[in-house]
Amino acid sequence: DTAVSQTPKYLVTQMGNDKSIKCEQNLGHDTMYWYKQDSKKFLKIMFSYNNKELIINETVPNRFSPKSPDKAHLNLHINSLELGDSAVYFCASSVRQGVGANVLTFGAGSRLTVL
Amino acid sequence: QQQVKQSPQSLIVQKGGISIINCAYENTAFDYFPWYQQFPGKGPALLIAIRPDVSEKKEGRFTISFNKSAKQFSLHIMDSQPGDSATYFCAARATGNQFYFGTGTSLTVIP
Repeated sequence: DTAVSQTPKYLVTQMGNDKSIKCEQNLGHDTMYWYKQDSKKFLKIMFSYNNKELIINETVPNRFSPKSPDKAHLNLHINSLELGDSAVYFCASSVRQGVGANVLTFGAGSRLTVL
Repeated sequence: QQQVKQSPQSLIVQKGGISIINCAYENTAFDYFPWYQQFPGKGPALLIAIRPDVSEKKEGRFTISFNKSAKQFSLHIMDSQPGDSATYFCAARATGNQFYFGTGTSLTVIP
């Protein structure tokens, strides 16, 4: 029973296309994140949502648009894909306060390859 | 700007040896310092963590040493095993539960 699940696991697409990655967590967490891991394995936060409200929006091109329909889901839509968008995108979740607030639970990642 | 600096980038250790990974930070507002372990094809998973009011935390073969005045912390893996081969990330938490990660250390433990 996967705690944080992402789909698709692999995505290969052409430059200029639009694609989406979906994330769902069944942990009852109220905060969800998107991280980008590049080819050198550097993990960089992109967005954070708390109860469907955008909390963190790092310097990310506006071609990237997160959407949180409810606190258990955080999707990432990418417009006009570029070669430099190729990376592994990780969804993560946590609770904002109280016990467990310190722990990020990550999904298995979605590897995006832009040709 | 890299909020958390991590070294070395890669590390090769013999089975039974000690693996040491170092991290440094500048932001004194960081209030929690976790280490994450990532195996190929998987997401990072919490390994061990420490608060800045504690100088050392040990869980099994894994120990974090924390030097608040130097703004440095390190992960020590005692009796390293081939199964420990993975990428290790240090991290630091800022206000709003925002986590900043180091650049990662690829550890290989040779049998």
